[in-house]
Amino acid sequence: GNSVTQMEGPVTLSEEAFLTINCTYTATGYPSLFWYVQYPGEGLQLLLKATKADDKGSNKGFEATYRKETTSFHLEKGSVQVSDSAVYFCALKLPGGYQKVTFGIGTKLQVIP
Amino acid sequence: DTGVSQDPRHKITKRGQNVTFRCDPISEHNRLYWYRQTLGQGPEFLTYFQNEAQLEKSRLLSDRFSAERPKGSFSTLEIQRTEQGDSAMYLCASSEPTGGRLVANEKLFFGSGTQLSVL
Repeated sequence: GNSVTQMEGPVTLSEEAFLTINCTYTATGYPSLFWYVQYPGEGLQLLLKATKADDKGSNKGFEATYRKETTSFHLEKGSVQVSDSAVYFCALKLPGGYQKVTFGIGTKLQVIP
Repeated sequence: DTGVSQDPRHKITKRGQNVTFRCDPISEHNRLYWYRQTLGQGPEFLTYFQNEAQLEKSRLLSDRFSAERPKGSFSTLEIQRTEQGDSAMYLCASSEPTGGRLVANEKLFFGSGTQLSVL
């Protein structure tokens, strides 16, 4: 079936460190890929997305590239801030009429000053 | 605040009781979704409405669960005869109309969820 595997956390980084959160997927067909972020006490919100191979999604300094050959969509940021502390979810959605979005387990990021 | 709102934020109930949650989506959104999230896991899809029609249901949605969206606006999720395994965060999300197009990349807007604890 369709699934998303992401690295388990928590990930603890110092401010201004480089961030990578790994995400790989298994899917029939060619899914759209997403990163959602959940800040403490808030609902999930879309961070970035990519709809086809080699697309790069970017937002708020975060980037992720849709790699079909490695079925990956790793999240990166060059210099994290304390305000980036949150839980990050990788997700996929199949094309066509399906509405189900499949999420990974989430990776908690803690950035310390 | 014009985001997705869910009520209540927290619900504690005894095993065997019925509970009902409400979700109010963003007003112009015709698509509404229910997800369930347990500790340490990502959200799991439960069901999807387009306007008032329930078009997709997960196997996770047992016969004790029922969801409605009678007028195509707010939605309710009812759990009958609750079990301890039902304890979870229940999330509602909505998305914009796509004009009949099949779109794989539409953005979901989530509410803050209803935390259910079954004792």
